[in-house]
Amino acid sequence: QSALTQPASVSGSPGQSITISCTGTSSDIGGYNYVSWYQHYTGKAPKLMIYDVNYRPSGVSNRFSGSKSGNTASLTISGLQTEDEADYYCSSYTGSSTSVIFGGGTKVTVL
Amino acid sequence: QLQLQESGPGLVKPSDTLSLTCTVSGYSISSSSYYWGWIRQPPGKGLEWIGSIYYSGSTYYNPSLKSRVTISVDTSGNQLSLKLSSVTAADAAVYYCVTTTIHLWSGIDYWGQGTLVSVSA
Repeated sequence: QSALTQPASVSGSPGQSITISCTGTSSDIGGYNYVSWYQHYTGKAPKLMIYDVNYRPSGVSNRFSGSKSGNTASLTISGLQTEDEADYYCSSYTGSSTSVIFGGGTKVTVL
Repeated sequence: QLQLQESGPGLVKPSDTLSLTCTVSGYSISSSSYYWGWIRQPPGKGLEWIGSIYYSGSTYYNPSLKSRVTISVDTSGNQLSLKLSSVTAADAAVYYCVTTTIHLWSGIDYWGQGTLVSVSA
C-alpha cells in the first residue's frame, strides 16, 4: 500500500490562511469519508485535529477545517498563529487492505 | 480521563521479538466499544499504522507487517500488548499506544506519550 502524498512544507505569515493537500486514490481518500488530520510537535504525541474529513474534536480551534474533493483531502488553517508551527499528517482508511495509511507529513512554518 | 502508558525494553537485538505493553487507566478495555492499537514513527520519518484490536479480539493489521505482528488485550490487567517478531534496524521507532473512541477508521483521539525502541546487537 502506498502512502498518501503531502507537500513536504508549507509556510505562511501570521494571520494568513494556508492549505495542506493530501492526495490518495479511489481506494482510500476518494472512496471513503475516513480522512483524519494530526498535528505533531517533536517529542510530543500527535493530536487529532480533524476526523471523518471535516469534523473537529472537542477543544480543537475552529481555525482548523477539513475538506475533500475526489481523491484529494485538504486541511486549512486560517488566522495562522506561531503555535501552529508543527508537522501535520493526513490519514485515511484504505479499503484495498482494510487498514490505515498515512501521508508523509507536512512541516508548517510560520514566517 | 482515559490515559495510555507504554512500557517495554528500549533496546532489542536484531532477529529478536519486540514486546511492548500499554497500560490503560481511566477506562476499562472490556467495557467499551473502542478500538485499541499501535502506531510507530521511525526516526526522521512519518507515522505508520501497525494495527488495531477490539476488546473481543477482532484484529486488523498493516499488511506490510501482518506476518510479524500480534496485538492482544489483557482485559483482567486492562492492558494492550504488541509483539513484533524478527526485528531489523528498520523497526527502530517511537511506538505509540493509541485508541479511537469515535469509530475504528475515523481517527485516533487518544495517544500514549510513546516509547523509543532501538534495534542493535
